[in-house]
Amino acid sequence: DTEVTQTPKHLVMGMTNKKSLKCEQHMGHRAMYWYKQKAKKPPELMFVYSYEKLSINESVPSRFSPECPNSSLLNLHLHALQPEDSALYLCASSPGQAVTIREQFFGPGTRLTVL
Amino acid sequence: GNSVTQMEGPVTLSEEAFLTINCTYTATGYPSLFWYVQYPGEGLQLLLKATKADDKGSNKGFEATYRKETTSFHLEKGSVQVSDSAVYFCALSGMDSSYKLIFGSGTRLLVRP
Repeated sequence: DTEVTQTPKHLVMGMTNKKSLKCEQHMGHRAMYWYKQKAKKPPELMFVYSYEKLSINESVPSRFSPECPNSSLLNLHLHALQPEDSALYLCASSPGQAVTIREQFFGPGTRLTVL
Repeated sequence: GNSVTQMEGPVTLSEEAFLTINCTYTATGYPSLFWYVQYPGEGLQLLLKATKADDKGSNKGFEATYRKETTSFHLEKGSVQVSDSAVYFCALSGMDSSYKLIFGSGTRLLVRP
């Protein structure tokens, strides 16, 4: 299995809702990432988990809360979002074990719309 | 700090034309270099990679050579197809332990029949 899967594919939520995005990989990778991508822009890193521990938080607002329940799963919990948070949310994974193996493998993304 | 600069798009070509998308980088040491492609409505796919100077990455007819002397990693394809229409991102991963990918701004390619 060489895929990163993400659910749901699309999500529409109000500013008072709580929702979660899910990401899964079965490649044995030990580093997982959340990115936010606005239209016509490159992805922006939000969080990095390495060996199931949060290693990087790029000063993301607390209304985004990541969680890594095990080495294959990564969640992003959403609460009290703003319309400007509407974007494509991408999950990625990488082996995370050897300095020379640096490529990241991306999922298809969740298109989030905040009303 | 590390950075990647890509040529501005969009690039519009006719089918079977030659493609070059320029990418230059700034980094210390020997970063790993990547080209990712994003088709409309999809996530990013790794197109090719190179991990050391003079390495040539290739995939699906696309090629890029890691040029340390010019700090470049230009993407080329000899004959583009309509199905190659997408956004192409050049990226690097530095030699630190952060695993961060630094992306260029992306170049949109439109291939006309």
